[in-house]
Amino acid sequence: DGGITQSPKYLFRKEGQNVTLSCEQNLNHDAMYWYRQDPGQGLRLIYYSQIVNDFQKGDIAEGYSVSREKKESFPLTVTSAQKNPTAFYLCASRSGATDTQYFGPGTRLTVL
Amino acid sequence: QQQVKQSPQSLIVQKGGISIINCAYENTAFDYFPWYQQFPGKGPALLIAIRPDVSEKKEGRFTISFNKSAKQFSLHIMDSQPGDSATYFCAASTGDSWGKLQFGAGTQVVVTP
Repeated sequence: DGGITQSPKYLFRKEGQNVTLSCEQNLNHDAMYWYRQDPGQGLRLIYYSQIVNDFQKGDIAEGYSVSREKKESFPLTVTSAQKNPTAFYLCASRSGATDTQYFGPGTRLTVL
Repeated sequence: QQQVKQSPQSLIVQKGGISIINCAYENTAFDYFPWYQQFPGKGPALLIAIRPDVSEKKEGRFTISFNKSAKQFSLHIMDSQPGDSATYFCAASTGDSWGKLQFGAGTQVVVTP
């Protein structure tokens, strides 16, 4: 069953803590992306990666970090430097053949 | 600033009616225009996409109309059903942008029985 998995579905964080969101895909896609979604807004790009061991900042990278050590995995760390981290986080991967981005089910992060 | 402007923010349509959502862009280098459907608490799913070499694309009850000279594209949902109630996002990307999508702000569609 191919697709993108994100875990956990819900995550609660105390102020000052770093948290890591997991994203795994078995679609054999090279490109992967992290987006942030806030109520009433579209998706905003945090980081993206075109290939293993390479990644680039998106439009709102401040306070976030990523790694891409394996093709299948693209974890996102929300650091304590992110001032307003409460949001819905979406991971995606892209088919190089069709340009279609496939999204995971998302992780809802709440800062307590 | 938002590179893709989407309207309306929300709309209510009766079952069987037509839902129309519009998007406008400025960057003439955009060459891929997808529409995504998102249900509450779920990730977006691709609905239909178009490239600038065609003016219209239809898949079932969903149609994209594309006007290159006006830099606008729209989604028409024919015979709207209660199951179509969702948030719809338009997006655009350029061929040299590593697939980075610029999203509109979204339209919440409610189909009443």
